[in-house]
Amino acid sequence: DQQVKQNSPSLSVQEGRISILNCDYTNSMFDYFLWYKKYPAEGPTFLISISSIKDKNEDGRFTVFLNKSAKHLSLHIVPSQPGDSAVYFCAARDNTNAGKSTFGDGTTLTVKP
Amino acid sequence: DVKVTQSSRYLVKRTGEKVFLECVQDMDHENMFWYRQDPGLGLRLIYFSYDVKMKEKGDIPEGYSVSREKKERFSLILESASTNQTSMYLCASSPDPTGAAFFGQGTRLTVV
Repeated sequence: DQQVKQNSPSLSVQEGRISILNCDYTNSMFDYFLWYKKYPAEGPTFLISISSIKDKNEDGRFTVFLNKSAKHLSLHIVPSQPGDSAVYFCAARDNTNAGKSTFGDGTTLTVKP
Repeated sequence: DVKVTQSSRYLVKRTGEKVFLECVQDMDHENMFWYRQDPGLGLRLIYFSYDVKMKEKGDIPEGYSVSREKKERFSLILESASTNQTSMYLCASSPDPTGAAFFGQGTRLTVV
């Protein structure tokens, strides 16, 4: 049973527009959520996170929204740039379970010039 | 900047071989992790360690073991490599369990 799901394997967006990447989770014990970005032939790099006590966290062009009642989070990138083209992983952490992170399958974002 | 270094980018091994994947981090992090990444399956945790000589099983530990003799080094061992262990292996470290993880560049292992 997959506890963290990214239902869209891919997303294509025009440069300058908004990119919205979605993530759903099932485990109500998750209390911390992270987004990572991964370029081909590199390891993932941390992008932005949010604690379950918040509903929004912003860092420059990147904003993460958390809807706890719906067990849903989203990553907004505005404006999107070609350099944002990468695989984006959503991860959720359960601090009652030794702080292990559970990752989604990833969404491949392509930003077209 | 935190640096997590994996000893090999690409490895090709034969079925039945014992395989060692090495990972070193230079930021004195307590926590280290091994994941494998497969298409459509995301990143799955194999083993992790919160301290020297300490190890905990992740979600898919079967067929793997680990060693952490020094704080900066975390090794993943495939006791007898099989073709279903062909994958991208990613090592990560973090300063605490709640912090973001820093990943190495990955090792693409092919078992033939």
